[in-house]
Amino acid sequence: EAGVTQFPSHSVIEKGQTVTLRCDPISGHDNLYWYRRVMGKEIKFLLHFVKESKQDESGMPNNRFLAERTGGTYSTLKVQPAELEDSGVYFCASSPLGRDNTEAFFGQGTRLTVV
Amino acid sequence: AQSVAQPEDQVNVAEGNPLTVKCTYSVSGNPYLFWYVQYPNRGLQFLLKYITGDNLVKGSYGFEAEFNKSQTSFHLKKPSALVSDSALYFCAVRVPRAGTALIFGKGTTLSVSS
Repeated sequence: EAGVTQFPSHSVIEKGQTVTLRCDPISGHDNLYWYRRVMGKEIKFLLHFVKESKQDESGMPNNRFLAERTGGTYSTLKVQPAELEDSGVYFCASSPLGRDNTEAFFGQGTRLTVV
Repeated sequence: AQSVAQPEDQVNVAEGNPLTVKCTYSVSGNPYLFWYVQYPNRGLQFLLKYITGDNLVKGSYGFEAEFNKSQTSFHLKKPSALVSDSALYFCAVRVPRAGTALIFGKGTTLSVSS
C-alpha cells in the first residue's frame, strides 16, 4: 500500500513568487492535515480537511496560504506571494475517519526555501 | 497555551547503552501521546502511542515509552541503542474532543556512536 506522498520534495523560489505543494494521502483516508516545521522549531499544525471540507484552519499563518482538497482526494497548498519567513518543511499527514486516538501517517515533506 | 517540551536538543549515547529521550507536556484533560521518528531524507514515522491502560507502551524497533501522569511526562526509552537509531525524534500529543491535530515538541536529535 502506498504511503502519503508529497511533491515536490524540494522547492527553491524567490520572494514574491508562487509555489504549490501537493499531497496525496493514503487511499481511503478522509482526514488530511498540513503541518510546517520552521528550522529547529516545533512542527506546527496548519489545517485539517475531512474529505473535501476544511475542518480546522486555525493554524494557517495568513491569507497568502490557500489549501484545497477538491474531490476529497489529493490536496494542494499554495503560497502566494511567498515571503522569506515561509521557508521550512511542509508535512502532509492522513488518517482514517473515526476514533481520534488513531495515529496519523506522514509524508516525507516538502522543503521550501524562499530566497 | 498547550505545549510539548523536549528539553534536550541532542542526546548522545554509545551503541549498546540504554537511551532515554525526554518529553513533557502541558495540556488540558487527558491527552493521547505519540512518538514519531524522522530518519534523514525520510518522512515522520510513527513509533508508538499511549491512549489508556498500562503506563509502559511498546512500539516499533524495540522502543518503549513510559507515561507518568503526575509528572506529565512520556519519555522514550530503549534498553540497548543501535547506531541505526540515530535520527530526529518528535513527541506529540492530541487533546481528545479538541480537534484531531497533533501538538509537537521541537524534536530531539539522537546520535548513537559505535
